[in-house]
Amino acid sequence: QSVLTQPPSASGTPGQRVTISCSGSSSNIGTNTVNWYQQLPGTAPKLLIFSNNQRPSGVPDRFSGSKSGTSASLAISGLQSEDEADYYCAAWDDSLNGRVFGGGTKLTVL
Amino acid sequence: EVQLLESGGGLVQPGGSLRLSCAASGFTFSTYAMTWVRQAPGKGLEWVSTINTGSNTYYADSVKGRFTISRDNSKNTLYLQMDSLRAEDTAVYYCAASKPYSKSPLGYWGQGTLVTVSS
Repeated sequence: QSVLTQPPSASGTPGQRVTISCSGSSSNIGTNTVNWYQQLPGTAPKLLIFSNNQRPSGVPDRFSGSKSGTSASLAISGLQSEDEADYYCAAWDDSLNGRVFGGGTKLTVL
Repeated sequence: EVQLLESGGGLVQPGGSLRLSCAASGFTFSTYAMTWVRQAPGKGLEWVSTINTGSNTYYADSVKGRFTISRDNSKNTLYLQMDSLRAEDTAVYYCAASKPYSKSPLGYWGQGTLVTVSS
């Protein structure tokens, strides 16, 4: 059971907009910033969004993040086949004094 | 170019030990907090341990007392000493770097090394 809660799956057709939610608590998302990681099949995770809504250089602006209270979300607009991957939210948890991840959401592009 | 290269994985019996290494290059290693994250087969990411630039260490409850994280800034290398290994420790172990704090996002990742705990 992950500390952060994500839906196990999401899907969309090319060009659509999809969102992935991430629910936490006051000790993690409520207090610290949220990061999102993308893991393409058979590869290592890659930082996709940091500090709730910032994109590292090289990440397309089709990807955006937001946070409100103890929840966060990742939005992907103009969905492309290469976006098919697992997506993980993460944050520091002050009560556990460690990093926590969501269980991951498998995105399928239909 | 930033590179993180893990090594030391393999097959070990339950109760055994293994030491993982992560060789870093392409960035100023001593100024980054370093983290181990693992992923069991077919499962999600799980944080294992973090060591900051001042060598303060943090552990997940699942490995506390069994795993030890350390770093050698002179060799640009991160380590994870794993003792009393259990079947549930079977996973791909990734090292990752964050700056400037332990809480900072994991901006750089290695490709991972597989640890299999089985008799």
